[in-house]
Amino acid sequence: RKEVEQDPGPFNVPEGATVAFNCTYSNSASQSFFWYRQDCRKEPKLLMSVYSSGNEDGRFTAQLNRASQYISLLIRDSKLSDSATYLCVVNIGNAGNMLTFGGGTRLMVKP
Amino acid sequence: GAVVSQHPSWVICKSGTSVKIECRSLDFQATTMFWYRQFPKQSLMLMATSNEGSKATYEQGVEKDKFLINHASLTLSTLTVTSAHPEDSSFYICSARDWRPAGETQYFGPGTRLLVL
Repeated sequence: RKEVEQDPGPFNVPEGATVAFNCTYSNSASQSFFWYRQDCRKEPKLLMSVYSSGNEDGRFTAQLNRASQYISLLIRDSKLSDSATYLCVVNIGNAGNMLTFGGGTRLMVKP
Repeated sequence: GAVVSQHPSWVICKSGTSVKIECRSLDFQATTMFWYRQFPKQSLMLMATSNEGSKATYEQGVEKDKFLINHASLTLSTLTVTSAHPEDSSFYICSARDWRPAGETQYFGPGTRLLVL
């Protein structure tokens, strides 16, 4: 079983749609959680951290369910510019503070 | 925000040559840097953790004699792919850890595309 699992997609949605991505992680000792965005042939960029209480940043809402070891990202009012791969990232807080990446979910927003 | 640079951004080389990739933190000191590799349509895989002034820690399956890492200063880590072969062709990305904000953030370099012919 992969440490961080995501549906690879692609998710093809029209502009203005609401889309949700899910992610599960296997290590119950995981301490911090993030969503990164990666555009084609570019490096990943931090989209938002994910907190237990849930957090929102504009059109983006992230939620964490520690009991189910599940993370979600909701994008409202999708824009064409949201087209990218969204990476679920987990830090188990070990000595090296290694980030473990999910395989990514590809989103295509169409006019 | 913090900036991490990588050089070169593209490398095309013949099989058997060695390639050095530099990763620099431009406006902060990074005692720890990470090297990742990403094959097409796959996620980032951590290769090694680079610690300033000490030996790198390699992930399982990554050959330390093939992927030489040097982190001689607080702002520079280098990855040398020795005797590169076509199967080493990949997107190599570094990240540097910045302790300055509340908590900790990793910033990624723009990546280096390596093509070995």
